[in-house]
Amino acid sequence: DGGITQSPKYLFRKEGQNVTLSCEQNLNHDAMYWYRQDPGQGLRLIYYSQIVNDFQKGDIAEGYSVSREKKESFPLTVTSAQKNPTAFYLCASSINRLAGISTDTQYFGPGTRLTVL
Amino acid sequence: KQEVTQIPAALSVPEGENLVLNCSFTDSAIYNLQWFRQDPGKGLTSLLLIQSSQREQTSGRLNASLDKSSGRSTLYIAASQPGDSATYLCAVPERRTYKYIFGTGTRLKVLA
Repeated sequence: DGGITQSPKYLFRKEGQNVTLSCEQNLNHDAMYWYRQDPGQGLRLIYYSQIVNDFQKGDIAEGYSVSREKKESFPLTVTSAQKNPTAFYLCASSINRLAGISTDTQYFGPGTRLTVL
Repeated sequence: KQEVTQIPAALSVPEGENLVLNCSFTDSAIYNLQWFRQDPGKGLTSLLLIQSSQREQTSGRLNASLDKSSGRSTLYIAASQPGDSATYLCAVPERRTYKYIFGTGTRLKVLA
C-alpha cells in the first residue's frame, strides 16, 4: 500500500520538552515537506527537503529541526524553543524528478495533532 | 513573491446546487495548480492538478479551470452533495524552490 504515514496521531508535550514527529513515505518521492496548520488558517511551511541529506527552512522554522538521512523518512523535532507548538502538523511529499515539476502532485499524510499541556 | 488567495472563505449551499470556488495567484509563471480537499482533522487529498499548458481538468463532478493571464483558477462542483462538505484549498509550486504556496481555503457546507 503506497502512501505517507505519520505517527503518532495525537501527541502531548510538557513545557520544556522536545518531541519528534515521524513521517515516512514509500512513494519514492525526492521531496518532503512539513507544514503547520492552525485553526482557521492555511498551511505554513516549516521545513522542506528536495533530496536526501539536504533541507531548507520554510517560513516558520524557528523552534523546529529536521533531518533527512533516508529518502523515505523526514522526522520533525519540536524543540522547547518553540513557544506555541499546539497545532496540527502535516507531512507531504512530491516530485518524482523523472516525471518533472509540471505534473508533480503533492501527497499528504493524515497529520499529527500536537498539544502542549 | 507568489501569493495565493481564495474567496469566499466560507460558503453554504443547498444540496443539488452547482457552485464555483475561486483561487487567485499573483505570479502567472506557474508550473501547475493543484486543488485539494481537507476534511476536519484530516490530511489533504489531491483532487485535480492542472498543468500550466492546460486550460481545464475534470474528475467526475469536479471541473477545474486555469487562466494564467488573469491569475485565476476556479473549481466547479456540479450537483453538490452533503458529502462534498469540506475545506477546499488550492496551491501552486514556487519557481526555483519548488515550495508549494497554499491559499487559506474555502470552507464549504452543503445542506441536506
